[in-house]
Amino acid sequence: TQLLEQSPQFLSIQEGENLTVYCNSSSVFSSLQWYRQEPGEGPVLLVTVVTGGEVKKLKRLTFQFGDARKDSSLHITAAQTGDTGLYLCAGTGAGSYQLTFGKGTKLSVIP
Amino acid sequence: DVKVTQSSRYLVKRTGEKVFLECVQDMDHENMFWYRQDPGLGLRLIYFSYDVKMKEKGDIPEGYSVSREKKERFSLILESASTNQTSMYLCASSLFGPDTEAFFGQGTRLTVV
Repeated sequence: TQLLEQSPQFLSIQEGENLTVYCNSSSVFSSLQWYRQEPGEGPVLLVTVVTGGEVKKLKRLTFQFGDARKDSSLHITAAQTGDTGLYLCAGTGAGSYQLTFGKGTKLSVIP
Repeated sequence: DVKVTQSSRYLVKRTGEKVFLECVQDMDHENMFWYRQDPGLGLRLIYFSYDVKMKEKGDIPEGYSVSREKKERFSLILESASTNQTSMYLCASSLFGPDTEAFFGQGTRLTVV
């Protein structure tokens, strides 16, 4: 089983602050995905990163895939209360169909 | 829009009962997955299927089985429900290939008493 470690587990910040969430593994992944989950709902995909060193931007969210394809980060600029939720990274190993999730980072943005 | 539908949002069952959780997707996806989600443990993969009648064990298959007789339907079976199977169960589907987006249902909150 390929493990994904997310940090921090919990994060509480004031509106307007910046934050970074990390997703790390000792294994190489063919791709990494970031999902956001709200209470009572299933996770929804934010982005997929495939190439080592890749950076993708989604409005105030910036996603990076490590050069060695073992880690990824999510940076949020000027957080808003609407960013509150559970952020999950998920990865697939080379030649595998299995999609493995990290334990998630629970983000609370306080007005 | 892709839709993944789970048959129940909430379910209460007694210890020892056989429990069926049903999941249907409407986009002709090859891959389907069953996860359980518990506080502090994240989403853990129970079983997945990459084709009709094909199934693969995930990380925690003990106490569960699955059935995929038709491409659009993936069922999770708890052979003899136990209290430690109380959890949120999430079904997902994706197109062929591991890098494509997984679409999730809204989940079934199962309580075993």
